[in-house]
Amino acid sequence: EDQVTQSPEALRLQEGESSSLNCSYTVSGLRGLFWYRQDPGKGPEFLFTLYSAGEEKEKERLKATLTKKESFLHITAPKPEDSATYLCAVQGGNTGKLIFGQGTTLQVKP
Amino acid sequence: GAVVSQHPSRVICKSGTSVKIECRSLDFQATTMFWYRQFPKQSLMLMATSNEGSKATYEQGVEKDKFLINHASLTLSTLTVTSAHPEDSSFYICSRSDRGGETQYFGPGTRLLVL
Repeated sequence: EDQVTQSPEALRLQEGESSSLNCSYTVSGLRGLFWYRQDPGKGPEFLFTLYSAGEEKEKERLKATLTKKESFLHITAPKPEDSATYLCAVQGGNTGKLIFGQGTTLQVKP
Repeated sequence: GAVVSQHPSRVICKSGTSVKIECRSLDFQATTMFWYRQFPKQSLMLMATSNEGSKATYEQGVEKDKFLINHASLTLSTLTVTSAHPEDSSFYICSRSDRGGETQYFGPGTRLLVL
């Protein structure tokens, strides 16, 4: 059964304090791993798609990496506006469906 | 800019009534769209896959007679919650995939409150 586990559930950082969010997954035939940002009361906003182990993608202060078992979302020198829930999802080859993790709620204090 | 829109953004209804939620693909024709539900403090759960011109595919445990999906055009899918009850109160979000069928782009969501 395809499964996604994110840690930690919640993370509090001071502005400028870099950290990483973890997404561990098990999936049959990975087609893609996705990172989304979700603000309260809004739909998820697409950040990255990773397809194979070793792949990395960057966007502003965010960098996503992928191994065969997990993905990390690195946040460098975060700002208060980076506060949100970050969702990880995988798409398996068997079903093609997106399976989401529970998310990590990030709070960045000024 | 946004590639998927939803209407309404919020709706309050009485128990026993039906509510229709619209989801539109704004930038290209989508033969497949998806409907998710998100309860407070929980992640997104796929409810059904909406297929243009054919029947929707429902996930296990989702009542197809209660959650009616119509994908009548390549840019519009609708979800109707029939005979809504308080336990149906949730955040409903639709999405469409990119041309490769992989990355999904989500709408802003519809908050449903059933009294």
